[in-house]
Amino acid sequence: AQSVTQLDSQVPVFEEAPVELRCNYSSSVSVYLFWYVQYPNQGLQLLLKYLSGSTLVKGINGFEAEFNKSQTSFHLRKPSVHISDTAEYFCAVSEPGRRALTFGSGTRLQVQP
Amino acid sequence: NAGVMQNPRHLVRRRGQEARLRCSPMKGHSHVYWYRQLPEEGLKFMVYLQKENIIDESGMPKERFSAEFPKEGPSILRIQQVVRGDSAAYFCASSDRGDTEAFFGQGTRLTVV
Repeated sequence: AQSVTQLDSQVPVFEEAPVELRCNYSSSVSVYLFWYVQYPNQGLQLLLKYLSGSTLVKGINGFEAEFNKSQTSFHLRKPSVHISDTAEYFCAVSEPGRRALTFGSGTRLQVQP
Repeated sequence: NAGVMQNPRHLVRRRGQEARLRCSPMKGHSHVYWYRQLPEEGLKFMVYLQKENIIDESGMPKERFSAEFPKEGPSILRIQQVVRGDSAAYFCASSDRGDTEAFFGQGTRLTVV
């Protein structure tokens, strides 16, 4: 069985500061990894995904994530955040051949002026 | 190309009533997934369907919940005899046959009073 742990439920940060949102997973098989963003009262939007290949993945809105197999992590980073990045961020995994996603509990990013 | 459409956006039901949630996938998508998001939690997988078939229902409660995706028309998630604990946001996602990325709708927020 898979599981996803997002260590921080809330991350406050000032505008233009860098941010890292942490995600660790456990699985007995190789996985696909995803980060989604959810704005208030909205659905989820895919930020980026790792399927194979380069461990550094670049996504939309200036976000990137690095897959670290030895540490079973997939942390999300952005070098300079904007007020508009305030949202809930979810890390998710799936197994090749099984399409259901397993989500973490989410991290609320609060960007302050 | 319209995105995944869910309706209604908000649904209020009294305990014991039936709730019916609809999901129209993106054009050309034949795979539909339903997820439930309880307050302050991440999304939990419920069921995965292809046209006229349930592929994976490992996340569906054994009683009162059912899902279908008919040959024509939207996918329906049906909850019979709703209870307060069913209050949640229900998200639908769809994907193409060869694509691991699922696109999410804006969700239906069910409130049981």
